Amino acid sequence: NAGVTQTPKFQVLKTGQSMTLQCAQDMNHNSMYWYRQDPGMGLRLIYYSASEGTTDKGEVPNGYNVSRLNKREFSLRLESAAPSQTSVYFCASSRSRDSVSNQPQHFGDGTRLSIL
Amino acid sequence: EDQVTQSPEALRLQEGESSSLNCSYTVSGLRGLFWYRQDPGKGPEFLFTLYSAGEEKEKERLKATLTKKESFLHITAPKPEDSATYLCAVQVPGTASKLTFGTGTRLQVML
Repeated sequence: NAGVTQTPKFQVLKTGQSMTLQCAQDMNHNSMYWYRQDPGMGLRLIYYSASEGTTDKGEVPNGYNVSRLNKREFSLRLESAAPSQTSVYFCASSRSRDSVSNQPQHFGDGTRLSIL
Repeated sequence: EDQVTQSPEALRLQEGESSSLNCSYTVSGLRGLFWYRQDPGKGPEFLFTLYSAGEEKEKERLKATLTKKESFLHITAPKPEDSATYLCAVQVPGTASKLTFGTGTRLQVML
């Protein structure tokens, strides 16, 4: 009963290094999301993919890129990591496919990323 | 701009001591209000969705209610295993199911 799986669980990078965070869901969901969670800030949306083949910016997209590889997988890439990107990153998915639906999002357990 | 405010930031209860968590929101139309539970080191776990004012949902010791401006999560006779951070989020029309989250209420239930 995997749900949403994120890899890696922990990572330490040096400033300027690049990295890709992986996310896969096995619930046949249409929409997928990437959030970051920082103390006192709540969860903030970085990018989302409403359906396979589409991606859109969220609230805090700068410094990130995404790829919706197929219906199951949605990756987040940091091209040149900065200390301000130290955070916990969560991937989520939902059955919703358009702006009409209001299905809940289901989350993975996160990737804890530190950038020195 | 859509805003979600949760209070209190932290709450400590004795086992069996009932209380309520508040989530107030300012949005341009509400498609749904979501409650999540988050344990340390884990991702948020979905609890409830509320769609319209007056609606109520229950699950074990938890009951969520919704008005036009706020939602409450009532915890009746809590147990230590209810200790967690409770997150509230809103979804507005035309946003491709995006959620705007509050910062959460950290609940600790003592023996």
